[in-house]
Amino acid sequence: SQQGEEDPQALSIQEGENATMNCSYKTSINNLQWYRQNSGRGLVHLILIRSNEREKHSGRLRVTLDTSKKSSSLLITASRAADTASYFCATGQTYKYIFGTGTRLKVLA
Amino acid sequence: NAGVTQTPKFQVLKTGQSMTLQCAQDMNHEYMSWYRQDPGMGLRLIHYSVGAGITDQGEVPNGYNVSRSTTEDFPLRLLSAAPSQTSVYFCASSYDREETQYFGPGTRLLVL
Repeated sequence: SQQGEEDPQALSIQEGENATMNCSYKTSINNLQWYRQNSGRGLVHLILIRSNEREKHSGRLRVTLDTSKKSSSLLITASRAADTASYFCATGQTYKYIFGTGTRLKVLA
Repeated sequence: NAGVTQTPKFQVLKTGQSMTLQCAQDMNHEYMSWYRQDPGMGLRLIHYSVGAGITDQGEVPNGYNVSRSTTEDFPLRLLSAAPSQTSVYFCASSYDREETQYFGPGTRLLVL
């Protein structure tokens, strides 16, 4: 079964709005990473947050991690049409990374 | 740097045929891995390697073999292709197991 589960499965917003997607996982982790995948393309790394960190920022991205709740959230502020993509969380456990099923984000111009 | 490269980009196989998907990286990364992605799904880990000569199984290893004779290359072999192996295959590498993974462009495989 998938370790990470993203929520919602799909999200449609207007350009300029903020987009929030969540990731829940089941077992303890070393770190959690968020990736973006444009349709038919490979994955692009967005941000890595370690298990001893609670929040990280990168440009318009803000990631939080709550290890007590086994959950993470990705916030994209001031969204753009170019942010339209699928977003995946990947949890790092020992030597393995387990990916969630993804959130499909559509930003309407 | 070319990063992570994968060949071929697209392949059609008949059931029972074998083939090797190639993956190479020029970043001197120790950790490499293979994933498959089915429509509407996330990535599932097939095999991974923490260094030359060391490989291990992921979530869905059946029907696939790997080897890691050099740091740069990590080929994935399909022993006897089945329609259930129709998927997009991604190779990834990272400096070590707790760092950012860099993905290749993927290989689309269709098994008839």
